[in-house]
Amino acid sequence: QLVLTQSPSASASLGASVKLTCTLSSGHSSSAIAWLQQQPEKGPRYLMKLNSDGSHSKGDGIPDRFSGSSSGAERYLTISSLQSEDEADYYCQTWGTGFYVFGTGTKVTVL
Amino acid sequence: EVQLVESGGGLVRPGGSLRLSCAASGFTYTAYSMNWVRQAPGKGLEWVSSISSSATYLYYADSVKGRFTISRDNAKNSLYLQMNRLGAEDMAVYYCARTGRSGSYDEYAFDLWGQGTMVTVSS
Repeated sequence: QLVLTQSPSASASLGASVKLTCTLSSGHSSSAIAWLQQQPEKGPRYLMKLNSDGSHSKGDGIPDRFSGSSSGAERYLTISSLQSEDEADYYCQTWGTGFYVFGTGTKVTVL
Repeated sequence: EVQLVESGGGLVRPGGSLRLSCAASGFTYTAYSMNWVRQAPGKGLEWVSSISSSATYLYYADSVKGRFTISRDNAKNSLYLQMNRLGAEDMAVYYCARTGRSGSYDEYAFDLWGQGTMVTVSS
């Protein structure tokens, strides 16, 4: 079964960096994922698609502060130079034939 | 402007029905698969249903199979979700989302989202 695991919360100071992790379930370590951002009271926004080799393509208008990387079954989202507007929930997403799966989300707090 | 705008949410009694709509603009709607995703209050995202660009393929989450029907009207750049036999577990904000174009780098990712429409199930 394809499952995505995320830590519930993360925090960092304004201007610092934070690295979020999305872990693919056993047997799916080669799967690509997408990262999504959901600011309070808004619909999700597509950040990037991230492959198992760490290559990624960002959505339109996504700042360079957002980057992705991969290691084994783990997919990472790094946010550098944290801004107040980065305080949001971050979800990873993956897919199979005829279905889609979301991670449980990580709430990022900017201190 | 490239956007998705949902409508049709509201208050419905348990066991009732509701039809959601999503209006697409600013892109070639007929080239994209489309999806519905929901989010219960205070909870995470849950995929609900998907439809291919020409409506050849329809997919549903187990939680809604047999109760919900996804459809699209490519002439009207619109996506729909007919929801029947609604229960408390269906109460959520429902989002319309676009799948990245087939053959593009963003293929399979949900690369465009609407602002959502709330469905409340209560007697």
